[in-house]
Amino acid sequence: GENVEQHPSTLSVQEGDSAVIKCTYSDSASNYFPWYKQELGKRPQLIIDIRSNVGEKKDQRIAVTLNKTAKHFSLHITETQPEDSAVYFCAVPLTGGGNKLTFGTGTQLKVEL
Amino acid sequence: DTGVSQDPRHKITKRGQNVTFRCDPISEHNRLYWYRQTLGQGPEFLTYFQNEAQLEKSRLLSDRFSAERPKGSFSTLEIQRTEQGDSAMYLCASSVTGLSTDTQYFGPGTRLTVL
Repeated sequence: GENVEQHPSTLSVQEGDSAVIKCTYSDSASNYFPWYKQELGKRPQLIIDIRSNVGEKKDQRIAVTLNKTAKHFSLHITETQPEDSAVYFCAVPLTGGGNKLTFGTGTQLKVEL
Repeated sequence: DTGVSQDPRHKITKRGQNVTFRCDPISEHNRLYWYRQTLGQGPEFLTYFQNEAQLEKSRLLSDRFSAERPKGSFSTLEIQRTEQGDSAMYLCASSVTGLSTDTQYFGPGTRLTVL
């Protein structure tokens, strides 16, 4: 089955700095790469996703880059703010159709004042 | 609120009891997924429906678990003879199929504690 590795597991940055989280996957047929943000006790919320026909997508301070050759994709958050503090999960579809997702192990991002 | 809703939000039960959770997807979303999340981990896929048809079940889903979506709208997840290892957050997500890969929106989850 599909395997997703996510790094780092924890990330601490100063407010205003950038944060980068990287995920690698094993199935070269994967074509959809979402990122979810989960605050403590809350639901996972989709913050950005990218499909395999593009290499980069931006939405204000958030961007995702995809390298299909190397089978990795990264989340970039610029000008970090305290409200960005949360756990971030990458995901890729499991094999077999239906777009059921397998998630990375998460990155705890802490933005310090 | 037009998002995915789940009920109850919290459930405490004793080992051996049966529990049932409900998920109401976003209106007109034809796909509905159940995931389980334990502390410090990402969600793990359990099963999914397209309309009323249950199309796949993960090997994580033991025989004590059953899910239904009788009219293609809300879904229920039942756990029989609960065990302490069943303690987790049970998340529901829904999506609508389209020309490109569908995006999943999650509900707030039901936190199950088995004593």
